[in-house]
Amino acid sequence: DTAVSQTPKYLVTQMGNDKSIKCEQNLGHDTMYWYKQDSKKFLKIMFSYNNKELIINETVPNRFSPKSPDKAHLNLHINSLELGDSAVYFCASSTQGGTEAFFGQGTRLTVV
Amino acid sequence: QKEVEQNSGPLSVPEGAIASLNCTYSDRGSQSFFWYRQYSGKSPELIMSIYSNGDKEDGRFTAQLNKASQYVSLLIRDSQPSDSATYLCAVNSNSGYALNFGKGTSLLVTP
Repeated sequence: DTAVSQTPKYLVTQMGNDKSIKCEQNLGHDTMYWYKQDSKKFLKIMFSYNNKELIINETVPNRFSPKSPDKAHLNLHINSLELGDSAVYFCASSTQGGTEAFFGQGTRLTVV
Repeated sequence: QKEVEQNSGPLSVPEGAIASLNCTYSDRGSQSFFWYRQYSGKSPELIMSIYSNGDKEDGRFTAQLNKASQYVSLLIRDSQPSDSATYLCAVNSNSGYALNFGKGTSLLVTP
């Protein structure tokens, strides 16, 4: 029974396209995150949501728009994809912000 | 100034030895500290959390925290080839609503 699940696992798309990644957690956590892991494996916070409310937006281009319909879901929509957006995107959740975070399996996005 | 710093490695240790991984952080107000293990192509997996100064042991793993020196370490005793992975240090951010990660230390345990 997967705790944090995100789909799709792989996403290959052309520059300029719009794509979405979905994330769901069944842990009953209040806080959810999107992290980006680049080719050098650096894991960087993008967004943090607490009870559906945006808490952290870490200087991410406004082409990235997160949406949290309820506290168990946090989706990420990306407009006008660029080559530099290629990375692995991880969804994570925790009971509250800054506590132990549990990660989904990641979405490897490749923009060609 | 980078918030969480780790030596990228690779750190190579022989099987059965103790692997020592280190991490420093810049925010003196940080209260929560974590070690994650990430195998290639997989997601980060939490292995240890520590909140108070001193040592915390869990099986072959010991986390050590020194808030005065802003230093966290992870010791892996009796290292096994299956421990070969990247180890990520994470610290709660000054906003309190996220974890900031170091760039990770690559550990290679050789048989």
